[in-house]
Amino acid sequence: GENVEQHPSTLSVQEGDSAVIKCTYSDSASNYFPWYKQELGKRPQLIIDIRSNVGEKKDQRIAVTLNKTAKHFSLHITETQPEDSAVYFCAATSGGGADGLTFGKGTHLIIQP
Amino acid sequence: DAGVIQSPRHEVTEMGQEVTLRCKPISGHNSLFWYRQTMMRGLELLIYFNNNVPIDDSGMPEDRFSAKMPNASFSTLKIQPSEPRDSAVYFCASSPSGGSYEQYFGPGTRLTVT
Repeated sequence: GENVEQHPSTLSVQEGDSAVIKCTYSDSASNYFPWYKQELGKRPQLIIDIRSNVGEKKDQRIAVTLNKTAKHFSLHITETQPEDSAVYFCAATSGGGADGLTFGKGTHLIIQP
Repeated sequence: DAGVIQSPRHEVTEMGQEVTLRCKPISGHNSLFWYRQTMMRGLELLIYFNNNVPIDDSGMPEDRFSAKMPNASFSTLKIQPSEPRDSAVYFCASSPSGGSYEQYFGPGTRLTVT
């Protein structure tokens, strides 16, 4: 089955700086890679996703890149703000919306004022 | 749309008791997923359904766990008998069909087994 590794487990950055979280996956058949943000005590919420036919996707301050050859994908957050503090999870699946997600272990992002 | 609805939001029970968690997916969504979240194991897929049919239950930890989806608007996850190690947050998520891949999570049920 799929295995998703996520690094780092904790990331502390100064407000206004950029943050990068990296994930690798094992199943070359995986074709959908979402990123979720989870605040303490809340549900995971989808913030951005990318499909295997695209190399990069951007939404305002958030971007995701995908390298299918190396089987890794990354989340980039620019101009970080205090409200970006949360746990971020990457995930992968080979069946699009019809299959379950395999999640990474999460990255606790801390924005220092 | 009310989003994915889960009940109860919190459940505290004693070891050996039966626990039933409930989920109502977003109307029109054809796929439903049950996940479990713990500090040690993170977010794990337990089972998922497409068009009310269970597709993959390989994530269900033991025979004590069972899930059903009798119709398109309702699913249950049952643990019988419950054990302290089942304590976790259980999330239900749903996804539409037709090429839209996003999974939308419910608020979760926090289960504590004493």
